[in-house]
Amino acid sequence: GDSVTQMEGPVTLSEEAFLTINCTYTATGYPSLFWYVQYPGEGLQLLLKATKADDKGSNKGFEATYRKETTSFHLEKGSVQVSDSAVYFCALSDPRNFGNEKLTFGTGTRLTIIP
Amino acid sequence: KAGVTQTPRYLIKTRGQQVTLSCSPISGHRSVSWYQQTPGQGLQFLFEYFSETQRNKGNFPGRFSGRQFSNSRSEMNVSTLELGDSALYLCASSLASGRATDTQYFGPGTRLTVL
Repeated sequence: GDSVTQMEGPVTLSEEAFLTINCTYTATGYPSLFWYVQYPGEGLQLLLKATKADDKGSNKGFEATYRKETTSFHLEKGSVQVSDSAVYFCALSDPRNFGNEKLTFGTGTRLTIIP
Repeated sequence: KAGVTQTPRYLIKTRGQQVTLSCSPISGHRSVSWYQQTPGQGLQFLFEYFSETQRNKGNFPGRFSGRQFSNSRSEMNVSTLELGDSALYLCASSLASGRATDTQYFGPGTRLTVL
């Protein structure tokens, strides 16, 4: 079945450092790919998405490119801030399954930014 | 536009009891999905409802059930609670237009503690 493998955390960085969180996936079809973020005590917020190969999703300085050849969707940000501290989840859905209503998530990566 | 709302936000139950959680989707969204989040198993898909019908189902025992009403609001029920059912239960809604660009938007979750 479909699966998502995410970089193990926790990750601790200093403010203004470069961030990469690795994500690879296994899927039989052509999935849509997502990054969600969860702040303490809250639900999930969509950070960015990409629906086809070579698409780049971007939001709030974060970027991720859908790489079909390496089945990857790594999250990057050039200069992190303390407010970026959260748990980040990579996810996929198979649009053949009536759409994107069934998400398969990675295990999550806890990111802590130190001032 | 109001986001996804879930009630109650916190619940404490004892083993053997049953519980009902409620989710109101974003106005105009026709699909509601439920997820269980635990430290050990991460985020797992429970089921999805569309037009009052269960369309997708995850690998959970029959003690977990749900329904959707004509106004798209959804409830999930867990009968004969077990300690392992303690989790954050997240609801998500989407337009469910069938396009690969559809996105799920999550509520803040209901924190269930089983004693």
